[in-house]
Amino acid sequence: GESVGLHLPTLSVQEGDNSIINCAYSNSASDYFIWYKQESGKGPQFIIDIRSNMDKRQGQRVTVLLNKTVKHLSLQIAATQPGDSAVYFCAENISGGSYIPTFGRGTSLIVHP
Amino acid sequence: NAGVTQTPKFQVLKTGQSMTLQCAQDMNHEYMSWYRQDPGMGLRLIHYSVGAGITDQGEVPNGYNVSRSTTEDFPLRLLSAAPSQTSVYFCASSLISGKSSYEQYFGPGTRLTVT
Repeated sequence: GESVGLHLPTLSVQEGDNSIINCAYSNSASDYFIWYKQESGKGPQFIIDIRSNMDKRQGQRVTVLLNKTVKHLSLQIAATQPGDSAVYFCAENISGGSYIPTFGRGTSLIVHP
Repeated sequence: NAGVTQTPKFQVLKTGQSMTLQCAQDMNHEYMSWYRQDPGMGLRLIHYSVGAGITDQGEVPNGYNVSRSTTEDFPLRLLSAAPSQTSVYFCASSLISGKSSYEQYFGPGTRLTVT
C-alpha cells in the first residue's frame, strides 16, 4: 500500500547548525502535510503544516518545503538547539479522506552541545 | 484548558484480561482518534470518531473497541489482552469545522505491557 516514509532514521547535528529532515510520500492524492515533534515520554506536538498548493511555508526557526514533482517534503530547523532533540514525524492527509493523517516512521534528531 | 488527558499512564495486564483506556478532551473538538506506537515505528491508527455517536476503524482495529457517547470522551477497550498489544497508546483530538488547519492535539500516552 501507499505510505509516508522517511529517508534517515537518525540525524546528528551540532548545536547552532541547521538541520534538514526529509520525508517521501507516494500518494499523489495527498494534499495536506504536517510535521510533528515528539519528545521522549510525551505525545507528538504540531510544528507546522503545508498544503499542496504551496511550495514553502515558514514558521519560527522552521521551514517546510514541498516538492510535488518528486513527492518529497523537508523540515528545516535553523540554528538547532539541544531542545530540538526529538523524533520528528511527517504526516499526510488525502483529499476526501477522514482528516486523520497517516504518519511516517519518524526521524530521531540528536543535537550535540 | 487541560487539553487531552489520558488515564492510566502505565498499566500491566495479563494475557486475556480486559481493560479500558480513558481519553478526554475539553476543547470541544469533533475529531478524536486512538493510535498505538511501537519501537521504531510511527503512529498507527486504531479507531477514530468524527463526532458523538460515530466511530470508524483505522489501520489496526482488531482486538480493540471504541465508543463515543459524548463529545468529550473516547475510551478504548481491549477485549482480551495479548502480548502483541504491548505498546504506547496515544489519544488525539482535532477541530475541523471552520478551520483550514487540521492539527491534532495529543495526550501524554498510556504505556501498556501485556505479559
